[in-house]
Amino acid sequence: GNSVTQMEGPVTLSEEAFLTINCTYTATGYPSLFWYVQYPGEGLQLLLKATKADDKGSNKGFEATYRKETTSFHLEKGSVQVSDSAVYFCALKKDSGNTPLVFGKGTRLSVIA
Amino acid sequence: DAGVIQSPRHEVTEMGQEVTLRCKPISGHDYLFWYRQTMMRGLELLIYFNNNVPIDDSGMPEDRFSAKMPNASFSTLKIQPSEPRDSAVYFCASSPSGGTGELFFGEGSRLTVL
Repeated sequence: GNSVTQMEGPVTLSEEAFLTINCTYTATGYPSLFWYVQYPGEGLQLLLKATKADDKGSNKGFEATYRKETTSFHLEKGSVQVSDSAVYFCALKKDSGNTPLVFGKGTRLSVIA
Repeated sequence: DAGVIQSPRHEVTEMGQEVTLRCKPISGHDYLFWYRQTMMRGLELLIYFNNNVPIDDSGMPEDRFSAKMPNASFSTLKIQPSEPRDSAVYFCASSPSGGTGELFFGEGSRLTVL
């Protein structure tokens, strides 16, 4: 079946450190890939997405590249801020249209000043 | 524009009681999803609707759970009777037809069953 595996947290970084959160997926065909972010007490919101191989999604300094050869979609940011502290979810959508997203378990990031 | 609206935000109840969670999707969105979030299992899809019709309810844990969507602007998720293991955050999300598949989430309903 379709699944998403992401690195377990929590991840604790100092401000301005480099961030990588690993995400790999299992799916047939060509899924679309997403990163969602959940700030404390809030719902999930889309951070970035990529719909085909070699696409790079980017937003708010975060980037992720859709790597079909390694079935990966790792999230990176060059310099994290305290305000980036949140839970990050990798997700895939297998088919075109509005099929549900399959989420990883989430990775909690804490950034300390 | 209003986002997805869920109520209540927090619910504390005793085992055996009926719980009803409510969701108002974004106007014009044809798809509505109910997810459950727990520490152990992460985000699990419970059920989703298209144009008010349930499409896949295979994620509903057992007969104690039921969901309805009587019209395009309202959905309920009901648990009867509730059990302590139902304690979780329940999220509703909606999306428009023909989009990229992005889901728009509400702020969630945190349920605690004592």
